[in-house]
Amino acid sequence: DGGITQSPKYLFRKEGQNVTLSCEQNLNHDAMYWYRQDPGQGLRLIYYSQIVNDFQKGDIAEGYSVSREKKESFPLTVTSAQKNPTAFYLCASSIATNQPQHFGDGTRLSIL
Amino acid sequence: EDQVTQSPEALRLQEGESSSLNCSYTVSGLRGLFWYRQDPGKGPEFLFTLYSAGEEKEKERLKATLTKKESFLHITAPKPEDSATYLCAVHPNSGYALNFGKGTSLLVTP
Repeated sequence: DGGITQSPKYLFRKEGQNVTLSCEQNLNHDAMYWYRQDPGQGLRLIYYSQIVNDFQKGDIAEGYSVSREKKESFPLTVTSAQKNPTAFYLCASSIATNQPQHFGDGTRLSIL
Repeated sequence: EDQVTQSPEALRLQEGESSSLNCSYTVSGLRGLFWYRQDPGKGPEFLFTLYSAGEEKEKERLKATLTKKESFLHITAPKPEDSATYLCAVHPNSGYALNFGKGTSLLVTP
């Protein structure tokens, strides 16, 4: 079955630690996205990528980094510079940036 | 500034009691409007795309409509399994990102 796989489902971060969230898709989509979801707020865009080896910052990129070395993969690193990382992180992909985005089932990140 | 506002924040319906969810938006040109359903602890599931005023889409008990300033998600004779948060997102002409509303949390009781 085609889809988007995010791992792990739950992740805990210690102070000063960088953590990486995985996102893999087998839909052959060119565009991929990372969102952050907090209670009572809409999804907020962290980074997006339209094509391999290219990505742009979204509205809340500070404290995060990404890479896009393969079409199928778009990992997100939450760095120690992100002071409030506790949230539900969602990865999405689409055929093109003006087409519907399809989401994975998210990673919930908490602070130890 | 582009804005998406969903109302009500929460809605409780009896099984079979039809109602509508609202998504009002202000954007500098609309490239598309999207409706999603999100269950607790899961990612949003795509429901509909609407591109122009007057357009309508239907799927089972759900029907989405679009005007120049708002979209409605009509739920006809809902069942408990329709309970979820419904998200609206708009894609403005400027930029590549979707602007999401905060969602409407729907609870359908037997």
